Amino acid sequence: AQSVTQPDIHITVSEGASLELRCNYSYGATPYLFWYVQSPGQGLQLLLKYFSGDTLVQGIKGFEAEFKRSQSSFNLRKPSVHWSDAAEYFCAVGQAAGNKLTFGGGTRVLVKP
Amino acid sequence: ETGVTQTPRHLVMGMTNKKSLKCEQHLGHNAMYWYKQSAKKPLELMFVYNFKEQTENNSVPSRFSPECPNSSHLFLHLHTLQPEDSALYLCASSQDRQEKFFGPGTRLTVL
Repeated sequence: AQSVTQPDIHITVSEGASLELRCNYSYGATPYLFWYVQSPGQGLQLLLKYFSGDTLVQGIKGFEAEFKRSQSSFNLRKPSVHWSDAAEYFCAVGQAAGNKLTFGGGTRVLVKP
Repeated sequence: ETGVTQTPRHLVMGMTNKKSLKCEQHLGHNAMYWYKQSAKKPLELMFVYNFKEQTENNSVPSRFSPECPNSSHLFLHLHTLQPEDSALYLCASSQDRQEKFFGPGTRLTVL
């Protein structure tokens, strides 16, 4: 069975500082990996995805993520956080065949002025 | 309208009511999903429809009844719900196993 763990429930970061959100997954085959962001009262918006190829993927809003197979990780990073990045972030793993997507518990990011 | 839309955005209902949630996708996708998002719990997949056929039901209680009349519309019919069913219900669509596009959700409160 596939699973996703986001160890940090809350992270507080100062505006302009860097941000890294951790994601560890468990999946028997090559995973499809995603990061989504959810602003208050909104649905989920896709930030970036990894299917294959270059292990460093670029997404929208200045985010990037790195797939590390040896560590079963897909951490999300942003070099300089803006106040509008305050939201909840979800990591998810999907199947190469089929369309089931398993989400982590989410990390809520607070941005200090 | 673009993307995935959901109506209503907010719904308050009693335990004896019957209501329906509606989802519409304008992306030409062939798969649609219902997810439940409760406080302090990961997103839970409820139902999956591929080409209008239900392909997955994740042990969802029968008081939730999905309907997919065509590949663009998805409904979730609700009856005799419990207070613990209060949550944000998210609809999503995708083209095969590609990334899912989510709607804004319906915030449901069961009194």
